Parts: sequence; C-alpha cells; structure tokens
Amino acid sequence: QAVLTQPASLSASPGASASLTCTLRSGINVDTYRIHWYQQKPGSPPQYLLTYKSDSDNQQGSGVPSRFSGSKDASANAGVLLISGLQSADEADYYCMTWHNNTCVFGGGTKLTVL
Amino acid sequence: EVQLVESGGGLVQPGGSLRLSCSASGFTFISYSMTWVRQAPGKGLEWVSTINQDASQIYYVDSVKGRFTISRDNAKKSLYLQMNSLRAEDTAVYYCARGQMHTILPLEYWGQGTLVTVTS
Repeated sequence: QAVLTQPASLSASPGASASLTCTLRSGINVDTYRIHWYQQKPGSPPQYLLTYKSDSDNQQGSGVPSRFSGSKDASANAGVLLISGLQSADEADYYCMTWHNNTCVFGGGTKLTVL
Repeated sequence: EVQLVESGGGLVQPGGSLRLSCSASGFTFISYSMTWVRQAPGKGLEWVSTINQDASQIYYVDSVKGRFTISRDNAKKSLYLQMNSLRAEDTAVYYCARGQMHTILPLEYWGQGTLVTVTS
C-alpha cells in the first residue's frame, strides 16, 4: 500500500471550491507529518503551493494566492488542499508529498478539471 | 531570481551511464539541500535523491541505490547525478529542486528538467 494516496481525478465548476485529499497509509498518523502540495501544468515543472501540518505550523508558497489553503482531516487520516473560487487556470495535476523514513514520498497525483 | 538549469540528459542504451548536472544561481547554494525528482512520460512525480548542504547526509529511493550517485560542488554552485547501469524504467524527465534554508522540504524551486531516454 502506498504511503500517500490521492484520487486520480476530480472535477469542479468555475467559482466553486475543490477539496483534494491525500490519505496516509494506515499506521502512519497524519498529525505528525508536514504535507507539502505542488501544482503541475502540462509541459511545465511542478510549482510549490503550500505546506500544512497544523494551524500553527503551515506556510504558503511565495506568490501563491490565498485561495489555496491546507488542512487535515484527522478522521480520514488525510491532508487536504482546498482551492476556493476555482478558475480555469487552476486546471492542473496536484501532488502531495511528505518525508517518511528518510525518504521523500509523493502521492500519485490528482488531475483537477475545471468545467 | 532563483534559477536551476539541468543538463546532461539524452539517449542512452540499457546498461549505460549518464551524468546530469544542475547549475544554480540567484541564491546562496551552500545554504540549501538539493534534490533530484523524476517523472516518467505520462506518469507522476518520483523522488530520486537528496543531498544536504555539506553532503554529509544523502538519501536515495530504493530503486536507484547502488546505481545512482548524487553529489554537489558548492564552489561551482552545481548539483550532479551520476547514473550508472541505466534501465528502461529510468526513462524520465529529471528535475533538480531546491529545499528551504536549513530544511530538506519543501522543494521551493524547480528547474525545467532534462530528459533521459534509456532504449536500445
């Protein structure tokens, strides 16, 4: 079982909000991990969005709009990337990532479609 | 402005070798850990290796251990990835990325990537 699991795809409407989840493998407690989020558009390298561990331990990437925010769903053992006020420009692949057992681990990515 | 420019990719036969380079500018290179991440065609991101500021801590994904070697030259502000015994499954765009000051993650800045194709 993968350390980080993301849904393969998600669709949402312009102006709406999208909640992208990153579920940690059973036995790994999300409360103890910083979850980092990246956006990647076709033909471009990934761009760092934000990091979230808790309300007191989080950071926004440089120039990243406040429409992008992080949180956690403890009941689901998941990190969450919330995008509000969706725009067509938000259509992209989104990856979560963390550091686990001296390795960096990426989730499989979620393709967000805005339509 | 932070810039990371990868080079050294290309076409190589299985079992062959390549050395990737990443030239850094716009920041104090010696203060940051550096990481290689790859992305196979049409696939997701895969972390490959990380080296800390003075090369005293180095980490690899299991699939490249014993075949790839990460290194850095702080005087030249450059990061390297020596890739030996290449396999078809190593075919990917290889990105170099910079951490934050004093921490490995997050990977704040990324280069444009260099394509490595392993094929006979």
